[in-house]
Amino acid sequence: DGGITQSPKYLFRKEGQNVTLSCEQNLNHDAMYWYRQDPGQGLRLIYYSQIVNDFQKGDIAEGYSVSREKKESFPLTVTSAQKNPTAFYLCASSQVVISGELFFGEGSRLTVL
Amino acid sequence: GQQLNQSPQSMFIQEGEDVSMNCTSSSIFNTWLWYKQDPGEGPVLLIALYKAGELTSNGRLTAQFGTTRKDSFLNISASIPSDVGIYFCAGQDHSGGSNYKLTFGKGTLLTVNP
Repeated sequence: DGGITQSPKYLFRKEGQNVTLSCEQNLNHDAMYWYRQDPGQGLRLIYYSQIVNDFQKGDIAEGYSVSREKKESFPLTVTSAQKNPTAFYLCASSQVVISGELFFGEGSRLTVL
Repeated sequence: GQQLNQSPQSMFIQEGEDVSMNCTSSSIFNTWLWYKQDPGEGPVLLIALYKAGELTSNGRLTAQFGTTRKDSFLNISASIPSDVGIYFCAGQDHSGGSNYKLTFGKGTLLTVNP
């Protein structure tokens, strides 16, 4: 089945540690995105990538980093510089960046202790 | 940046009732989309609207792209328990420099009592 796989679904880390969240898609989509969701908030864009080896900052990129070495993979690293990292992280893809029709993964819930 | 005002924030309804929610913006969008998120899952696209005035249905769901291009509404008819979740509107800007970014509303939490 085609889709987006995020892992892990739940992650606990100590303050000051870097964490990498995995996102893999087999939809052959060009564009991939990372969003952060906090309770009662909408989805806020962290980073997005239109094609391999290219990515752009979203609205809340500080304290995060990404890479896009393969079309199907777009990992997100939450660094120790992110002041409030506890959140629900959603990865998404679309056929091309001009399309607003996003396919989302099931999310990764990160808790920093 | 652009902001969407989505209302209501939450709704508690009885099974079988109709539901209406809407989003408004101070800026124009080229595309309006509605997503639903089940608890602990990622959002799923329900309806996409591409033209001002467009009215689109998907089963019991109906959505409209406002004629001013600054608003959209979603109606759900004859609600059922599985309609429970958070509904998000999203607007997409196609103007130069926007990079086709989506702006999401804060969501409407729908609870359906059987």
